Amino acid sequence: AQSVTQPDIHITVSEGASLELRCNYSYGATPYLFWYVQSPGQGLQLLLKYFSGDTLVQGIKGFEAEFKRSQSSFNLRKPSVHWSDAAEYFCAVGESYYNQGGKLIFGQGTELSVKP
Amino acid sequence: EPEVTQTPSHQVTQMGQEVILRCVPISNHLYFYWYRQILGQKVEFLVSFYNNEISEKSEIFDDQFSVERPDGSNFTLKIRSTKLEDSAMYFCASRGGAGGKDTQYFGPGTRLTVL
Repeated sequence: AQSVTQPDIHITVSEGASLELRCNYSYGATPYLFWYVQSPGQGLQLLLKYFSGDTLVQGIKGFEAEFKRSQSSFNLRKPSVHWSDAAEYFCAVGESYYNQGGKLIFGQGTELSVKP
Repeated sequence: EPEVTQTPSHQVTQMGQEVILRCVPISNHLYFYWYRQILGQKVEFLVSFYNNEISEKSEIFDDQFSVERPDGSNFTLKIRSTKLEDSAMYFCASRGGAGGKDTQYFGPGTRLTVL
């Protein structure tokens, strides 16, 4: 069965510093991969997604992620973090029949704090 | 930009009571989902719904849960007899159609507190 692991439960970075949030998945074929962000009191907002093609994908708010098949990873990056990026970040994988309407499987989430 | 809406934002109920959580998916979307997130835990799938019937349900989605799309716009989750362990944030999501490039869009969630 597919699974998603986000090894870091909580990360703190200084404003202006770079950020990398880790995500590892377990899936045999090419997965459908997503990063969502959840601000306090808000729903889940899609940051970016990977389905196929270029392994470096760009998202909203200056985020990018790179799909690395050899490492089964889809890490999220941002070159310079802003205080407004403080939130919880979820990596998710579309299960084997995602393209027929199948569900998403989520990681545990990584809470990002930003120091002034 | 179209968005998924959910009401209420917060529901407090007594154990054993019935609750109905409501969602208005994005217009013309075809697939609908409920997920939940118990405090401190991961977001987990409950049920998917397509063509007016359940496509898939998780083992969490037992006989106490039901879903329906009563009028072509609303999508509801009913819990017949709530338990303390049903306390969670419930998210509704919708998706346009089949095809791997499609995205699930999530609502803001309903926080359910069972006392």
